[in-house]
Amino acid sequence: EADIYQTPRYLVIGTGKKITLECSQTMGHDKMYWYQQDPGMELHLIHYSYGVNSTEKGDLSSESTVSRIRTEHFPLTLESARPSHTSQYLCASSDPTGLWQFFGPGTRLTVL
Amino acid sequence: RKEVEQDPGPFNVPEGATVAFNCTYSNSASQSFFWYRQDCRKEPKLLMSVYSSGNEDGRFTAQLNRASQYISLLIRDSKLSDSATYLCVVKTNSGYALNFGKGTSLLVTP
Repeated sequence: EADIYQTPRYLVIGTGKKITLECSQTMGHDKMYWYQQDPGMELHLIHYSYGVNSTEKGDLSSESTVSRIRTEHFPLTLESARPSHTSQYLCASSDPTGLWQFFGPGTRLTVL
Repeated sequence: RKEVEQDPGPFNVPEGATVAFNCTYSNSASQSFFWYRQDCRKEPKLLMSVYSSGNEDGRFTAQLNRASQYISLLIRDSKLSDSATYLCVVKTNSGYALNFGKGTSLLVTP
């Protein structure tokens, strides 16, 4: 089993609130990723990191931001949540090639 | 045009049946290919890689046709526990992202 964790698993929050989705992995992976997945739709990469202090935006534009201060930790922040942010957010980490990606259980976010 | 296209299904098959899923990809520079499995409301999990020569893992067989840009997954002797969505995934060597298909839904019934 992959050792990658996400909290909270479920979050229901009102519009305008600031939220941080946590992601941690204990595998020592340098590469980490955030994906967004709407029901019945494909996963889209929104952020990735190749290591500490390295973050890049993914293919899908997102109003969220990320930070990578420690190897094991890759939190995602929404400064002001909106209903359009309602989705499932999946964190992943990978081996150095980036091919073998292990996913966390996801955070299902609902913004009212 | 989407990078990865899959028949969304659902495929409803009885236990013990053989079922095949297909996937096409648009980027001829794609170099790495995978099938992931995603259970309802869960995270995707790597099922198997797909190699040019074809590969088998128990009841699962994956095939790649680079000329047609086509990938397949065959499941033999379906089990109830095989019910899930199967995601076709491709990657180019130069890119950083895995490109996921929407997935094909499989329901195996008693």
